[in-house]
Amino acid sequence: GAGVSQSPSNKVTEKGKDVELRCDPISGHTALYWYRQRLGQGLEFLIYFQGNSAPDKSGLPSDRFSAERTGESVSTLTIQRTQQEDSAVYLCASKRGGSYNEQFFGPGTRLTVL
Amino acid sequence: RKEVEQDPGPFNVPEGATVAFNCTYSNSASQSFFWYRQDCRKEPKLLMSVYSSGNEDGRFTAQLNRASQYISLLIRDSKLSDSATYLCVVFSGGYQKVTFGTGTKLQVIP
Repeated sequence: GAGVSQSPSNKVTEKGKDVELRCDPISGHTALYWYRQRLGQGLEFLIYFQGNSAPDKSGLPSDRFSAERTGESVSTLTIQRTQQEDSAVYLCASKRGGSYNEQFFGPGTRLTVL
Repeated sequence: RKEVEQDPGPFNVPEGATVAFNCTYSNSASQSFFWYRQDCRKEPKLLMSVYSSGNEDGRFTAQLNRASQYISLLIRDSKLSDSATYLCVVFSGGYQKVTFGTGTKLQVIP
């Protein structure tokens, strides 16, 4: 079956512009996560959605970052007024409910802010 | 103290060697544990879950020590294709809070 998909795969933007990244999770997966990974660094948790519960936004680095998810489907991560330090790969993952189910990752969106 | 800690390495080992990684976690209420593998410029992919009784998958063995709050991954008979970064993942909390370690880099050399 289809895995997690993300678009665009690459995005180059100018400092100060807004960008929107999209994630399509695996059908039936109630949980969705966004991560940021800078070059040579580990995964940095950004936000977590679980069904219709309030999202866990504790990892968002500033108020320029926001994310939405409609029900248990597509999610978008928006970065406003991008800065050069926002350059990274943004990874989305989804999983079924339950603690013992693993996350499945999308291929990521590589964001470059000039 | 970080919630999940790993030795970043790199671990440089010859082909055929046995290598072990540890990962410590701080939340005693953590519920489930996984090892993921991440190749250069690729997304992480599940390597194996870690069960309380320990589990083995071919050349890979994972163990959990709840008393000391660490998990381990043992790789026997290392192959060149095992070269990657190995990420420790810990789930905890009712809302399935997930924490990734920063990863341990393994380089298997001919």
